[in-house]
Order: sequence, then structure tokens, then C-alpha cells
Amino acid sequence: KNQVEQSPQSLIILEGKNCTLQCNYTVSPFSNLRWYKQDTGRGPVSLTIMTFSENTKSNGRYTATLDADTKQSSLHITASQLSDSASYICVVISRSSYKLIFGSGTRLLVRP
Amino acid sequence: DVKVTQSSRYLVKRTGEKVFLECVQDMDHENMFWYRQDPGLGLRLIYFSYDVKMKEKGDIPEGYSVSREKKERFSLILESASTNQTSMYLCASSLGGSGNTIYFGEGSWLTVV
Repeated sequence: KNQVEQSPQSLIILEGKNCTLQCNYTVSPFSNLRWYKQDTGRGPVSLTIMTFSENTKSNGRYTATLDADTKQSSLHITASQLSDSASYICVVISRSSYKLIFGSGTRLLVRP
Repeated sequence: DVKVTQSSRYLVKRTGEKVFLECVQDMDHENMFWYRQDPGLGLRLIYFSYDVKMKEKGDIPEGYSVSREKKERFSLILESASTNQTSMYLCASSLGGSGNTIYFGEGSWLTVV
């Protein structure tokens, strides 16, 4: 069964600290993996898209990694800011389907 | 910038009412989607459309229907709203193919009482 699991479910960090969010998936065959940021009460916004051949991709203070062999991805946030408080959703697309398979998200709270 | 606009942000409807949720995108995208998002469950696909007048059922189509008469507009219809359809509904769009960015609207919060 195609699944995407994220950990931790929620996380609280102090402003300025770094953090790493995890995403494990069992989707096959794999097409690409995406990280989205969703502010409370808003729609998700794309952070990165990673294909099979990409190991690392950065978007400002956000760096995503992908290990296609172990089927794991991580999202690293550097020097966190209060505006990073949001849910971060990992999404995987299978090559054989148009469907996006969503993780349940990690809720991040950055405290001053 | 791509814009996906959902016409209603907050709605309160009574059980049994017919509900229309409208979504418009301005980037000539082929694909349009309707999801619902509930705490702890992630986003679940209700319906998907890859062209005008074309639609496919997603994972949870029961109790919903859709309409795509024009390329830019994708409507979600609840024929007879029920309390278990209280949720946040997200519309999304993308170009054809599996490698393109999917853009989401801001969401419509529906409460059925």
C-alpha cells in the first residue's frame, strides 16, 4: 500500500535554532517527492520538488534531502524564524498514477 | 504568479442543503483537483479533472459531484450536505504531467449544522 509517514507529528523549537523533519514513504514506482508549507487556515505552498536523481535541493533556509534507496526524505530548516511556524507536508507521486499521496504533516511551532 | 481562487472562504450550511464550492485558476492548467483536509488525516482526494468535461473519482467521492464546463473553473457540489462533510476543502491545479508544481487555493471552511 502506498503510504507516506512523517515524523515528528509536532515540534516546538526556539527562534534561531535549526530543525529537521522526516518523511518515509512506500510509494512505488516513485516519480517525485514534494515538501509543502501550510500556514494555519491557508492552502499549502510548494517548497521543493525532488526527482529520483536529486539528493539535495535548497530553497533559502529550507534544504530537502532525498534517499531513494531507503525511501526517506528530510526537510532541514536553518536559523528558524517565527514565520516558519506552520505545518510541513510531505507529498509523493507515483510514476504509475496522477495521484498525490500526502503525509499527515509535521506541525512546527517556533517560539521567541 | 499562479492564482487559484476559491470563492467562499467560510460557509455554514444546514443538513440537506445543496452546496456549491467554486474554484477558478488563471494559468490555463489542464489538471484541477478537489481535496478535503481533516485533522490527523492529511489531504484526501475527492475528485480530479484533467480536461474540460472530464472527471475522475478520487479516494473519497461519495456524497460529492463535480463540474468542469470551462478549463479555468472546477466546481465541487454537495448534493445534500451532511454533518460529516464539515471540513476544509482545498482546490488545486497544475499543468499536465506528474512533474509539475501543484498550486493550491486558500481553502474553504465548510460547517454543516
